[in-house]
Amino acid sequence: GESVGLHLPTLSVQEGDNSIINCAYSNSASDYFIWYKQESGKGPQFIIDIRSNMDKRQGQRVTVLLNKTVKHLSLQIAATQPGDSAVYFCAETGNQGGKLIFGQGTELSVKP
Amino acid sequence: NAGVMQNPRHLVRRRGQEARLRCSPMKGHSHVYWYRQLPEEGLKFMVYLQKENIIDESGMPKERFSAEFPKEGPSILRIQQVVRGDSAAYFCASSPRGSRTGELFFGEGSRLTVL
Repeated sequence: GESVGLHLPTLSVQEGDNSIINCAYSNSASDYFIWYKQESGKGPQFIIDIRSNMDKRQGQRVTVLLNKTVKHLSLQIAATQPGDSAVYFCAETGNQGGKLIFGQGTELSVKP
Repeated sequence: NAGVMQNPRHLVRRRGQEARLRCSPMKGHSHVYWYRQLPEEGLKFMVYLQKENIIDESGMPKERFSAEFPKEGPSILRIQQVVRGDSAAYFCASSPRGSRTGELFFGEGSRLTVL
């Protein structure tokens, strides 16, 4: 029979604008939260992580915010470029060690 | 400085056949993880292995699926008697140790199509 997949949430932004991608996580015992970027036909690439005892961490053009009160994680991309077009996944370490638990993902589309 | 190497990149099988997917971790990495990704979905954890040990197989289907990471050679994900629902991208990731920080290094994936 035909399988129906879930449609990813999408975010469309203009080149040069800032992007904010949001994620709700499930396990308050997770030590680390991570953002991955996946381009079409490729494997996920690590972008940035944040430890559970922090609420903000900045990288190059990216900032991750963690709100443990509402179990919310966000990724901010400054001056979004066409090369940022990809699917972005949040992930958490959970409470069992080793593996990562991934969220659904958001597809970012950057218009030139 | 090779990253995680997966092969084959694409595999086509008929229902009932076997699929074998191989993964060579990054140099110096002794921990391997397998994930499955259906079209337009996230990555679902399948299994976590160290050399010669299965650490966590909580995401593996109970039947037809098996994984190993021998002392020598790549990690193998084996799917017996494939069905159409097994069609997916299978990603392998590695880390130098059980990654408490969560930074896993992913391969480019093996895309299985079951006819």
